[in-house]
Amino acid sequence: DIQMTQSPSSLSASVGDRVTITCRASQSISNYLNWYQQKPGKAPKLLIYAASSLQSGVPSRFSGSGSGTDFTLTISSLQLGDFATYYCQQSYSTPPWTFGPGTTVEIK
Amino acid sequence: EVQLVESGGGLVQPGGSLTLSCAASGFTFSGYGINWVRQAPGKGLEWVSYISPGTDSIYYADSVKGRFTISRDNVKNSFYLQMNSLRVEDTAVYYCARPQPVAGPNGYDYWGQGTLVTVSS
Repeated sequence: DIQMTQSPSSLSASVGDRVTITCRASQSISNYLNWYQQKPGKAPKLLIYAASSLQSGVPSRFSGSGSGTDFTLTISSLQLGDFATYYCQQSYSTPPWTFGPGTTVEIK
Repeated sequence: EVQLVESGGGLVQPGGSLTLSCAASGFTFSGYGINWVRQAPGKGLEWVSYISPGTDSIYYADSVKGRFTISRDNVKNSFYLQMNSLRVEDTAVYYCARPQPVAGPNGYDYWGQGTLVTVSS
């Protein structure tokens, strides 16, 4: 099975900050990488698919990059509504389609 | 408007059974598969199972293989997750999540609100 790791596990940031979250796969997954945002008590929301494609309706301050084993989610200017937990997920080949452990973005 | 609505969660004793439902609307049901994803209290997301549009592809996480069964009813526009031999560690919010209708790499663009399953004596 493909294992996913994320760093950091949590971070504190201020409104307006540029935030970068890293996700690493245990083997190459090409660009089969998705990013989700989850707020407490809510279902996850798809932000980025295929490593760098912005899901419809998601603000352009969110961007994704990477290929192979190393991926990045960047929030260019953090807004109040962006404080949440972010998960990467690989959807490469056959299941299990594993999620990363999550990164919590907190208010500094 | 696409909607996924889960139901069927509740409290069950270890070793017991429960069937979750995911009622779908707002899209052509027969053209989509579905995933079940769960989240234990205070923990991260865990992919559980997938069924394809034609039921020719069905997959399970190792943690539930042999105990859970995924199915669909194209008349009732509903997906199901039958859970047997439940364990304390199956306690979680269970979500159904629809894959995007795009070729190649895709994520889950619509999720239900989740239904809580608690396994406890």
